[in-house]
Amino acid sequence: SQQGEEDPQALSIQEGENATMNCSYKTSINNLQWYRQNSGRGLVHLILIRSNEREKHSGRLRVTLDTSKKSSSLLITASRAADTASYFCATDDQTGANNLFFGTGTRLTVIP
Amino acid sequence: ETGVTQTPRHLVMGMTNKKSLKCEQHLGHNAMYWYKQSAKKPLELMFVYNFKEQTENNSVPSRFSPECPNSSHLFLHLHTLQPEDSALYLCASSRDRGISPLHFGNGTRLTVT
Repeated sequence: SQQGEEDPQALSIQEGENATMNCSYKTSINNLQWYRQNSGRGLVHLILIRSNEREKHSGRLRVTLDTSKKSSSLLITASRAADTASYFCATDDQTGANNLFFGTGTRLTVIP
Repeated sequence: ETGVTQTPRHLVMGMTNKKSLKCEQHLGHNAMYWYKQSAKKPLELMFVYNFKEQTENNSVPSRFSPECPNSSHLFLHLHTLQPEDSALYLCASSRDRGISPLHFGNGTRLTVT
C-alpha cells in the first residue's frame, strides 16, 4: 500500500533538544504532508512539500524530501514540552485527487 | 477551533443500534473526508466527497453509510456495527480535490458493545 511509515515509533527527548522523525513510502508521490495530533484530538497540518521540492521550513520545523530514496524527515528544533504529540506523514496516490494515506505515527515526548 | 466540528465527541452503541455521526465545516471547502483511526493502525481513508458527490469508497462495509447533503455537512450513518468498529472517526475537509492540506475535526470516539 502507499501509506507512509514513520520511524521511530516513539521518541523521548529533553526540552531544548532537537527531534528528528523519518518517513518512508513505497510508490511515487505528488506531495508529502506532515501532521501532528495531540491526544484525543484531530490532526493538525504542519507542512506540505511537493515532489519537486527538497526542503521546506516553517518556524522551528524543517522538512526534507528525498524522492530517490522515497523518504522524508521532520526536524523540530529547540523542542518544547508543548511539542509533545504524535506526528504523522501522509502521502498521496499520485492520482492528483488528494487521497492521503497516513502511517501509524511517531509518538514524541518532550520532557520539561 | 479547527473550523471542522464533529458531534457527538463520544458515542457508545450496541451492535443492533442505529446512530449517525455529524460533521460540519465552516471553511468554505468543497471536499470532505471520513477517516477511521484505530489503535496501532494507520488512519484508514473511508469516504471522500467533492461538491457533494462521492468520489471514493475504499471498500468500506455497507454497515457504514455516508451522506453529504451539501458541501458544509457530512454524515456517517451506522447500523449493526461490530465491536471491531470501535475507533476514533475523523472528519476532514480540504479546499478542493487537488493537492491541499486537510483540516480535521476532533473526532467521534465510538465504542461498540
